[in-house]
This record gives sequence, structure tokens and C-alpha cells, in this order.
Amino acid sequence: DAMVIQNPRYQVTQFGKPVTLSCSQTLNHNVMYWYQQKSSQAPKLLFHYYDKDFNNEADTPDNFQSRRPNTSFCFLDIRSPGLGDAAMYLCATSRPAGAGTDTQYFGPGTRLTVL
Amino acid sequence: GQNIDQPTEMTATEGAIVQINCTYQTSGFNGLFWYQQHAGEAPTFLSYNVLDGLEEKGRFSSFLSRSKGYSYLLLKELQMKDSASYLCAVLDSNYQLIWGAGTKLIIKP
Repeated sequence: DAMVIQNPRYQVTQFGKPVTLSCSQTLNHNVMYWYQQKSSQAPKLLFHYYDKDFNNEADTPDNFQSRRPNTSFCFLDIRSPGLGDAAMYLCATSRPAGAGTDTQYFGPGTRLTVL
Repeated sequence: GQNIDQPTEMTATEGAIVQINCTYQTSGFNGLFWYQQHAGEAPTFLSYNVLDGLEEKGRFSSFLSRSKGYSYLLLKELQMKDSASYLCAVLDSNYQLIWGAGTKLIIKP
């Protein structure tokens, strides 16, 4: 089945210890997104890629970096996690803007705990 | 600024009907989405409206009025498994998805 996969589902890290979250997709979508979602809040867009064209949201902290080595994979690097970075991290994919409904399809998410 | 408003929480009874409202103010409009999100899980797509009117999909329907900046999600024959948060999101003129904070729906037997 075509889908969006995120690994790991649960990640525990220590304050300041770098962590990498991964996302892969078999939908062959051009656009990939990383969101941060805290409890009872709306998802907050961190980055998105249109193919390899990287788009950083203006208020995304420098502590967050992203890589997309190919169409199928995307990584989120948190260089020095703080307690405030504990959240659910959601990866999503879509077709390009204007190419249909632009529906975003989400992976199951990675819940990050910072100790 | 861009803004999506929806009630924080609603309660309904199993078997009943509930309507979740969403109002929006965005820079441009390229469609409105409703997503369902169970606790601790990712959002799953429910519906997409870009033209005015009602879209029906089984027990769920979604309505849009672009002139009023208003949408609602109607859930019929409520089941316990419908307990979840329902997020309204609007695609703005830059094709960025602007999200509401979600409405937590509690279903009681």
C-alpha cells in the first residue's frame, strides 16, 4: 500500500543530545512537509520541500534542520533538543500546488520526549 | 493575520448528530480541509471543499460558504470511535495550509 512511514514512532533523547527523525513515502509525491504539534494545538509547519527545493518557515528555530536526499526520504535533525521541543513530529506529503486537491497525507508521527 | 476559529471542545451522544463549525480569515483561498485526529495519532483526511455547498461522504458531510468564510463538518449516527479532534485547515493563496487548533469531540453513551 502506498503510504507515509515515520521512524521511530517514539524517541527519547536527553537535553542537548542531537536526534534525527526520518520519513519515507511511497506515494511519489513531490512535496514533503515537517510539522511540529504540541498537545491540543494546531500542527506548526517547520519546513517543506518541493522536490529538492527547500522552504524554511520564517519562525522555525535554527536548532531544526532538514535533509531530503531523494524523492522518497526526508529527515528532521534537531541539533540540541530542549525541553520545549518535546512534541509530536509529523511528516506529510502532497502533490504540487494546483495539481488536484493538494491533500496532505500524514505519517503516523514520531513522539519526541526530552529528558 | 491569518486565523482559523473552531470550538475547543464539544460533547455529543452516541447515535446523535453533531455539527462542528469553522470560520476563517486567510489571505486567499484555495480550498478547505477537514482532518480527524485520534489522541496520539496523525491527522487523517476527511474532506475537501473548494466550491460552495455540501459534500456528503457516508456519515460525514462538509459544507462551505466562501462569502461568509465559514464551513462546518456534520457527523451523523455518532459512534464511540468518532471521539477525536477534528481540525479545519485552509489552503491560502500561497498554497500554504493554515490550521485551526482543532475541536475535541467527546461522545457519551
